Amino acid sequence: RKEVEQDPGPFNVPEGATVAFNCTYSNSASQSFFWYRQDCRKEPKLLMSVYSSGNEDGRFTAQLNRASQYISLLIRDSKLSDSATYLCVVLPSDSWGKLQFGAGTQVVVTP
Amino acid sequence: NAGVTQTPKFRVLKTGQSMTLLCAQDMNHEYMYWYRQDPGMGLRLIHYSVGEGTTAKGEVPDGYNVSRLKKQNFLLGLESAAPSQTSVYFCASGRGYGYTFGSGTRLTVV
Repeated sequence: RKEVEQDPGPFNVPEGATVAFNCTYSNSASQSFFWYRQDCRKEPKLLMSVYSSGNEDGRFTAQLNRASQYISLLIRDSKLSDSATYLCVVLPSDSWGKLQFGAGTQVVVTP
Repeated sequence: NAGVTQTPKFRVLKTGQSMTLLCAQDMNHEYMYWYRQDPGMGLRLIHYSVGEGTTAKGEVPDGYNVSRLKKQNFLLGLESAAPSQTSVYFCASGRGYGYTFGSGTRLTVV
C-alpha cells in the first residue's frame, strides 16, 4: 500500500467551474501536509500548506481531516492556467524532514 | 536568486556507462534530496543528506551513489547505467516546511 494515495484523474473541468479532490495518507503520526503543483515536464512547486483548521489561498482551499487521514484541495473559478498535476505531500513525524509524495491528480481545465 | 540548479538537463547514456548529476543550491539549506520520477509512481527518494559530509539511503538507492563534500552541492552518481534508470531526476533542498526543486534531468539509458 502506498503511503500517500491520490486519484490520478484526469479531472476535466470547464473554465469557471469548481473542482475538488482528496488524497489519503497511511501514517497517522504525520505532522505536516502540503499541496504541490507540477506542470507538464516541469519541477514540482509548493502550492500551499494545509493546516488543521483548513486554509484558503485565493481560489484554493485546503482541508485536513486527521481522524479519517485525508486532505483535500478545492479550486474555485477554475482558470485554464490551473491545468496541472497536483501532488499531495505528507511529512511523517519521524522522517528527518523527508516528504512523502503522492503520484498526483491531473486537472485539465477546458475553455 | 538561482535557488536549486541541476546539470545537465538532458542526457542519453548507453548501458554500462557512468555519469554524475550535479545539484547546487544557494539557499544555505542543510537538507538536500535526490528523487526520481516515473510515470504513475510519483517521486521516489533515492538518497538524501542532512548536512555537509553526510548522506543516507532513501527508498530506491540501489545503483546510485551520492556525495556531499560541500554544503551547497549534492552529487548523484550512476556507476553502471541500466535501462531501468531511465527517468526524470529531481534534486531538492529544504526541510519539512517545503522544498525547492531543481528543474530536473531527463536521463535515457539505451
